[in-house]
Amino acid sequence: QVQLVQSGAEVEKPGASVKVSCQASGYPFTAYYIHWVRQAPGQGLEWMARISPNTGGTNTAPKFQGRVTLTRDTSTGSAYMELNRLTSDDTALYFCARTQDSGSLLYFDMWGQGTLITITS
Amino acid sequence: EIVMTQSPVTLSVSPGESATLSCRASQSVRTKLAWYQQKPGQAPRLLIYGASTRATGIPARFSGSGSGTEFTLTISSLQSEDFAVYYCQQYDHWPPLTFGGGTKVEIK
Repeated sequence: QVQLVQSGAEVEKPGASVKVSCQASGYPFTAYYIHWVRQAPGQGLEWMARISPNTGGTNTAPKFQGRVTLTRDTSTGSAYMELNRLTSDDTALYFCARTQDSGSLLYFDMWGQGTLITITS
Repeated sequence: EIVMTQSPVTLSVSPGESATLSCRASQSVRTKLAWYQQKPGQAPRLLIYGASTRATGIPARFSGSGSGTEFTLTISSLQSEDFAVYYCQQYDHWPPLTFGGGTKVEIK
């Protein structure tokens, strides 16, 4: 079964860091980019960054540069997103999603179930 | 950064009627435009890519059109399961990839 399965919900304090995992299965992990998209409560979708599991290369939205770190483990088919210096504005549902490993085919054909990150003091 | 603007914000439609959703890009994205459907508590689902190609398993009542800066998603004969929020996304100019703000299709 082709799927992306994310880690569970987290509650963090302002200023802390959080790391979310995304486990891919049912397809060749290195053949697709993994992206991270977030959705604040009642809001729309916001693209954060992507990683190429094949090369480890990343791209990050300007808004998140310096705060987001993407990594991957090809032995387990997992991708990770770490977000630092958390504020209440980072409270959101975080999705991983895949696109084909091509700069011209960047539409999301599969999504994880989402991980709720809540920032509260 | 390409800004994607969707209209209307909310669309009230009766079951069996058709719905027309619009998406405008701040500059040309050619046909590198995708549409997604999202229901409460769920991840988005890909409906259309390449502006007009239906994704695998998507019913024929969903159709997409447009190029450049103006795009349309049409849902003919709305079914109960079609009431949801719809997002457009451009993938021509990145980073960043950008989404529209969404259109909520609700029951009239």
